Amino acid sequence: QSALTQPASVSGSPGQSITISCTGTSSDVGSYNLVSWYQQHPGKAPKLMIYEVSKRPSGVSNRFSGSKSGNTASLTISGLQAEDEADYYCCSYAGSNTLVFGGGTELTVL
Amino acid sequence: QLQLQESGPGLVKPSETLSLTCTVSGGYISNSSYYWGWIRQPPGKGLEWIGTIYYSGNTYYNASLKSRVTISEDTSKNQFSLKLTSVTAADTAVYYCARQPTLKYFQNWGQGTLVTVSS
Repeated sequence: QSALTQPASVSGSPGQSITISCTGTSSDVGSYNLVSWYQQHPGKAPKLMIYEVSKRPSGVSNRFSGSKSGNTASLTISGLQAEDEADYYCCSYAGSNTLVFGGGTELTVL
Repeated sequence: QLQLQESGPGLVKPSETLSLTCTVSGGYISNSSYYWGWIRQPPGKGLEWIGTIYYSGNTYYNASLKSRVTISEDTSKNQFSLKLTSVTAADTAVYYCARQPTLKYFQNWGQGTLVTVSS
């Protein structure tokens, strides 16, 4: 299966909100409410931020939220902070017990 | 607290087999509530799911790697392992192991280990 499509980069100023999109197909994102999002700081392992489209794991700030419409999932970060600067990856269940990641988005906090 | 630690050679020659082990502490891989997966990330690139194993021994693989990948478990050592055969430079990556509450997402990650394929 092909990788999900994410913008290469997004940016925002402290306090603003940004949204990162993750576009798949009717075979993955569009068919299942099983999209997850990961934050990765340089040189570090990814960290789960959102699972099953919009659920937040314990300990993740409520500034992070997820949604989905059709074949596109979105991660929104509100009240942007300097510590949010990182790479973000989406991942979707793609049927037949397989998973597919997005190409990643670099978030810059201006 | 759950911890996952990858281990294995940092350098593998082309055409040989890459072998990595993930040692789990603070939890048991025989716990039926979890799956255990491998993900890799080539330098400067994105994440790629390699495959996942369930405590029962059932395995699930990325179709693009399936012919070269084997994931196995050793419950007596609380470890699970990855073997990737016939490696090329394109297999150079940081390899992560992770715990999955369901097959569908990765909850806890190891720190990752860099494997370089070079002669």
